[in-house]
Amino acid sequence: KQEVTQIPAALSVPEGENLVLNCSFTDSAIYNLQWFRQDPGKGLTSLLLIQSSQREQTSGRLNASLDKSSGRSTLYIAASQPGDSATYLCAVKDSNYQLIWGAGTKLIIKP
Amino acid sequence: EAGVVQSPRYKIIEKKQPVAFWCNPISGHNTLYWYRQNLGQGPELLIRYENEEAVDDSQLPKDRFSAERLKGVDSTLKIQPAELGDSAVYLCASSFGRNTEAFFGQGTRLTVV
Repeated sequence: KQEVTQIPAALSVPEGENLVLNCSFTDSAIYNLQWFRQDPGKGLTSLLLIQSSQREQTSGRLNASLDKSSGRSTLYIAASQPGDSATYLCAVKDSNYQLIWGAGTKLIIKP
Repeated sequence: EAGVVQSPRYKIIEKKQPVAFWCNPISGHNTLYWYRQNLGQGPELLIRYENEEAVDDSQLPKDRFSAERLKGVDSTLKIQPAELGDSAVYLCASSFGRNTEAFFGQGTRLTVV
């Protein structure tokens, strides 16, 4: 059974720092991995989608990598800003086309 | 282009009452998902549609939950009767095919009192 873990559960860093969020999964048989952002009381905003054949995707200050063989993905945020404060979730699409979710990392960027 | 639209945004009902949520997916997206999310947790899939067919409803509590997607576009999720433990955020998502990027609506926050 696929399981997705995100560590740490919470992270607080000063503004301007570069940071890395981690996502690990137990079964490498995935179709893709998607990173989302969720603001309090809001829905999920898709940030990046990495197909299983890809190694990384970039969008602005965000870079996501995927190492399927080791069951890991990282989300790199460059030059963090207070507006980046949110909960970040990763989800893998498994062999049954189901999205399997991590519990998220709550990120706080201090001004 | 409009995103996934859900209504209502918030709903407070007494236990044992019925409630319904509505979702309009992104135009052209044939795959539609309903999720439930509890505080501090990732979303939990309730049902997935491919066009009008429910292809994965294994986690839908069928004794009280029902869903429909007439004509393969809009979808409605219903709970009858609601229980206190149903309080959560109900999220709708859609994608163009089952293996592409999923886009989510703003969700409906349900409070059962």
